[in-house]
Amino acid sequence: EAQVTQNPRYLITVTGKKLTVTCSQNMNHEYMSWYRQDPGLGLRQIYYSMNVEVTDKGDVPEGYKVSRKEKRNFPLILESPSPNQTSLYFCASSLALTSSPLHFGNGTRLTVT
Amino acid sequence: AQTVTQSQPEMSVQEAETVTLSCTYDTSESNYYLFWYKQPPSRQMILVIRQEAYKQQNATENRFSVNFQKAAKSFSLKISDSQLGDTAMYFCAFMPSNSGGYQKVTFGIGTKLQVIP
Repeated sequence: EAQVTQNPRYLITVTGKKLTVTCSQNMNHEYMSWYRQDPGLGLRQIYYSMNVEVTDKGDVPEGYKVSRKEKRNFPLILESPSPNQTSLYFCASSLALTSSPLHFGNGTRLTVT
Repeated sequence: AQTVTQSQPEMSVQEAETVTLSCTYDTSESNYYLFWYKQPPSRQMILVIRQEAYKQQNATENRFSVNFQKAAKSFSLKISDSQLGDTAMYFCAFMPSNSGGYQKVTFGIGTKLQVIP
């Protein structure tokens, strides 16, 4: 089944404790991206990647890191999480064609205390 | 930069009735794509419908249709014969086609739709 898999689905952590949210897709998509969803703000892009070893900042990259060592994986890293990073996070992927829609993972609800 | 505005934070509709969700956008691009995504309580983001700006014909997908007014930069979603399963947050999204080989999708803040039995 074609899908984008995110883990974990829920995560509660404390300020400053490094964490990684994993994202994997099995559709051989070139493009992958991370979004955060906050009430009243919609979805905002954090980082995106056009292909292996090619990443770039989105609209809200501060406090986040990503890597794209393999085409299928695009982990999101929070080196020192803070409470303002409490949010719902989505990974998405698509073919590198502007007409291709995004395929989303099921989201990760992150709470930083 | 593009902006997408959804001016209705919340809406409700009776089951089997029709409801229209509004979306306006601002862009200087001439070629682009517009999308409506649905997010039910399960949190999953589901593509509902897609419109290509160069196509004048409004897109339809079963009970879902759009009213695309390019000059007015308006892209509303009409849901006919509303069902309880349509209860969800709906996001309008814009994607320029001249994006230099990468996708830059801009989302609205969403409209929460409640279908009432």
